[in-house]
Amino acid sequence: GIQVEQSPPDLILQEGANSTLRCNFSDSVNNLQWFHQNPWGQLINLFYIPSGTKQNGRLSATTVATERYSLLYISSSQTTDSGVYFCAVNSQTSYDKVIFGPGTSLSVIP
Amino acid sequence: GAVVSQHPSRVICKSGTSVKIECRSLDFQATTMFWYRQFPKQSLMLMATSNEGSKATYEQGVEKDKFLINHASLTLSTLTVTSAHPEDSSFYICSANHGGRAEAFFGQGTRLTVV
Repeated sequence: GIQVEQSPPDLILQEGANSTLRCNFSDSVNNLQWFHQNPWGQLINLFYIPSGTKQNGRLSATTVATERYSLLYISSSQTTDSGVYFCAVNSQTSYDKVIFGPGTSLSVIP
Repeated sequence: GAVVSQHPSRVICKSGTSVKIECRSLDFQATTMFWYRQFPKQSLMLMATSNEGSKATYEQGVEKDKFLINHASLTLSTLTVTSAHPEDSSFYICSANHGGRAEAFFGQGTRLTVV
C-alpha cells in the first residue's frame, strides 16, 4: 500500500517563528489533506489540497503531485498552534480510504 | 464543512464488558464511514470501513469478532468493542467522506479505558 512520511517528527518553535512541515508519499494520490490534532484529540481539517497552493490566514499549503510531496507552512506561530499535524492521503487504488502519515508534533513556546 | 459527531467522548468500562461507540454524520448522508484507532503518541491506524447496508471491511490484523461494526442507516455507524480487555484501551475515532471529492471529516473521538 501507499506509504506516507512526514518530517520533522518533532518541532519546537519560539512564538512568532515560521516553520515548514513536509509530507512525502510513495504513490499517486487522489486526495491529500492536512489536519491539526489538538490536545483533546480532535482532528481539525486544515486543507484539502490534492494539488496546487492554498492559503488560510497564517497557514498555507502546497502540493506537487507529480513529485509526490506536500508542504504546510505556518507563519508567525502562536502557542495555540501546538499539537500534532497530520498529512493524510487517498491513494488512486483505494479511493475512499484515508491513510495517515506519522505526524509532526509541534510545540510553540512563549 | 460537514459535521461528524461521535459519542461518547470518554468511557471507562470493566474488563469483560462490551462498549458501543456511535458515529453520526449530522448534515450529510454517508454510505461509507471509517473507524480508526490511535495509541498514545502514534498516528491513526485504519481499522475498518463501515458500509451502509452491508458487512464492514476490516483491515488486516483487526479482529472482526472483537470490533463489531454496524452501519444501519445513512447517518449512523456503530463500533462495539466486545469483551473488552485493558489492551483495548485506546482512542477510537470515526470519519465520513463528504461530497464527490471524498474529503474526510472526523468525529471528536472516544477515549476508551478498560479497567
